Amino acid sequence: AQKITQTQPGMFVQEKEAVTLDCTYDTSDQSYGLFWYKQPSSGEMIFLIYQGSYDEQNATEGRYSLNFQKARKSANLVISASQLGDSAMYFCAMIGGNNNDMRFGAGTRLTVKP
Amino acid sequence: DGGITQSPKYLFRKEGQNVTLSCEQNLNHDAMYWYRQDPGQGLRLIYYSQIVNDFQKGDIAEGYSVSREKKESFPLTVTSAQKNPTAFYLCASSMGIFYGYTFGSGTRLTVV
Repeated sequence: AQKITQTQPGMFVQEKEAVTLDCTYDTSDQSYGLFWYKQPSSGEMIFLIYQGSYDEQNATEGRYSLNFQKARKSANLVISASQLGDSAMYFCAMIGGNNNDMRFGAGTRLTVKP
Repeated sequence: DGGITQSPKYLFRKEGQNVTLSCEQNLNHDAMYWYRQDPGQGLRLIYYSQIVNDFQKGDIAEGYSVSREKKESFPLTVTSAQKNPTAFYLCASSMGIFYGYTFGSGTRLTVV
């Protein structure tokens, strides 16, 4: 069965600094997709970035980049130049293999300090 | 604008009542999903549907029911058999496997 692990319940970062949110996954499938979502206090889930298992380049979207290390089965999210509006819950998720649905980690609460 | 609409935003249920949460999408997506989120936790899958008139149970389907009579709509009924229904419920849709999900804004259900 697929499993997503986020080991950091909470993280703090100073405004304008970079921060890395950890995500490891467990799957025996060769073909899968990895996602990161942001959930502000309002509750909506905002898609941030996607990485396919066959993508050789790390995905980037503006200030977000995904540090994909396939052999280690890790897909860490890097946020550069943190802003106060980045304070939120962040979820790592995966689709693939026998699961026709997206599986989520427990999330990391990021707090950006002024 | 295309998107997913969940209603109501807040819902209160008395013990023993069934309640139905609405989820409508105009994205022409085939697949739709219902997730439950408890405070400080991740999302757990309740039900999903990949095509009209067909749906599958997720990890925590007990006490819930769904229907998919139209492509645009995927309502979730929380029955009296669900012993602890107080939670945040999120509906999502996608074009298919390996596509990202578009989420609604959620319904917060509280048992009173």
